[in-house]
Amino acid sequence: SAVISQKPSRDICQRGTSLTIQCQVDSQVTMMFWYRQQPGQSLTLIATANQGSEATYESGFVIDKFPISRPNLTFSTLTVSNMSPEDSSIYLCSVASGTNTEAFFGQGTRLTVV
Amino acid sequence: AQSVTQPDIHITVSEGASLELRCNYSYGATPYLFWYVQSPGQGLQLLLKYFSGDTLVQGIKGFEAEFKRSQSSFNLRKPSVHWSDAAEYFCAVGGLTGGGNKLTFGTGTQLKVEL
Repeated sequence: SAVISQKPSRDICQRGTSLTIQCQVDSQVTMMFWYRQQPGQSLTLIATANQGSEATYESGFVIDKFPISRPNLTFSTLTVSNMSPEDSSIYLCSVASGTNTEAFFGQGTRLTVV
Repeated sequence: AQSVTQPDIHITVSEGASLELRCNYSYGATPYLFWYVQSPGQGLQLLLKYFSGDTLVQGIKGFEAEFKRSQSSFNLRKPSVHWSDAAEYFCAVGGLTGGGNKLTFGTGTQLKVEL
C-alpha cells in the first residue's frame, strides 16, 4: 500500500483564518479524496481531487470554503477557509491506485478552531 | 444513494471471546464493501475488502467478513478478541458510480475489550 503523509498532523487556529493541509503520497495514484470526521462522528466525503482540473465536491461542500488543488499524481492540498469552530474536525486524505481498488488513508489532520 | 448502517454504537467483549460487528448496506447493485479500524488518534487502517467472488473474505489481524446479498449485510467477525483490538470500526461501501473507492461510511462501532 502507498505511504501517505499529511501535514500538519494537528493545528489550533483562530476563527476567520484559513489552513492548508497537505497530502503527499510516495507513489503515483489515480484517485485522491478528502474526508471530514467531525468530533464523535463518522467520515464524510468532501470532494474528489482531480489532477489538473477542478475538484468534484459532494453535496453540502463548496469550493469557496474548501478549495482543493492537485497539481500532480502524488500531491494534493485542502484549504479550510474562513474557519469557524464548527470546522473543528479531523481531515483525512485518502488515495487509491485505480478507480476500483481499495482506498488507503493518511493519519489525518486534527483541526481545532478557537 | 448508497448508505451504510452499523446498528451497534458500542460493544464490549471479554478478551478471548468471539466478536461480530454488524453492517448493513443499501445499494442498487453489487457494492464494494470494506471494513476499516481507527485507533485513538490514528488514521484508518483497512482490515479487509469485498469486491467480488468468494463471499467470505479474510483480512488482517485475524478478522474475516461475510457478504450476504440476501441480507444486504457484511458482518465482521473474529474468533478470539485481543485487548489490542479495542478501537472504532467502520464499515464502508463504494459504488461503481464515481469509483469503488469513493466511500460512504457507517457511523462506526466502538469496541471495548475487557481483560
